[in-house]
Amino acid sequence: EAQVTQNPRYLITVTGKKLTVTCSQNMNHEYMSWYRQDPGLGLRQIYYSMNVEVTDKGDVPEGYKVSRKEKRNFPLILESPSPNQTSLYFCASSPGALPFEQYFGPGTRLTVT
Amino acid sequence: KNEVEQSPQNLTAQEGEFITINCSYSVGISALHWLQQHPGGGIVSLFMLSSGKKKHGRLIATINIQEKHSSLHITASHPRDSAVYICAVSFGYDMRFGAGTRLTVKP
Repeated sequence: EAQVTQNPRYLITVTGKKLTVTCSQNMNHEYMSWYRQDPGLGLRQIYYSMNVEVTDKGDVPEGYKVSRKEKRNFPLILESPSPNQTSLYFCASSPGALPFEQYFGPGTRLTVT
Repeated sequence: KNEVEQSPQNLTAQEGEFITINCSYSVGISALHWLQQHPGGGIVSLFMLSSGKKKHGRLIATINIQEKHSSLHITASHPRDSAVYICAVSFGYDMRFGAGTRLTVKP
């Protein structure tokens, strides 16, 4: 089944404790992206990747890192999480650079206390 | 001002009603996307269009590039259509989203 998976789905952590949210797709897609969704602000792009070893900042990259060492995986790294990074995070992929239909992961709800 | 504006923010309809959600944008775009987010949180892409009109079942999406405006129509609405509908625009590698329209369809 074609899908984008994210892990973990739910995470409660404390300020400053490094964490990684994994994202994996099995559709051989070139383009992958991370978004965060906050009430009243909607979805905002954090980082995106056009292909292996090619990444770039979106609208709200501060406090996040990404890497794309393999085509299928695009982990989101929070080196020192802060409470303002409490949010719902979505990973998405598409066959190529936009415009293409995007396939979204199920979301990761992160709470930083 | 947001680059993508949706209206209305909230919409309640009776089952069977015809529904329209509007989206206006202010930037040059490669394509416009309509997404559906169910109460469980998952997001599904409904349409991607760069001109004209697309139809899928009871859903119809239109776009007017000159007026920078798109509409999503739902014919014969059903309670299972209750969800948040999100308009998004893509240009280059970027994607910008509207705030969403929360639709509730009552039986």
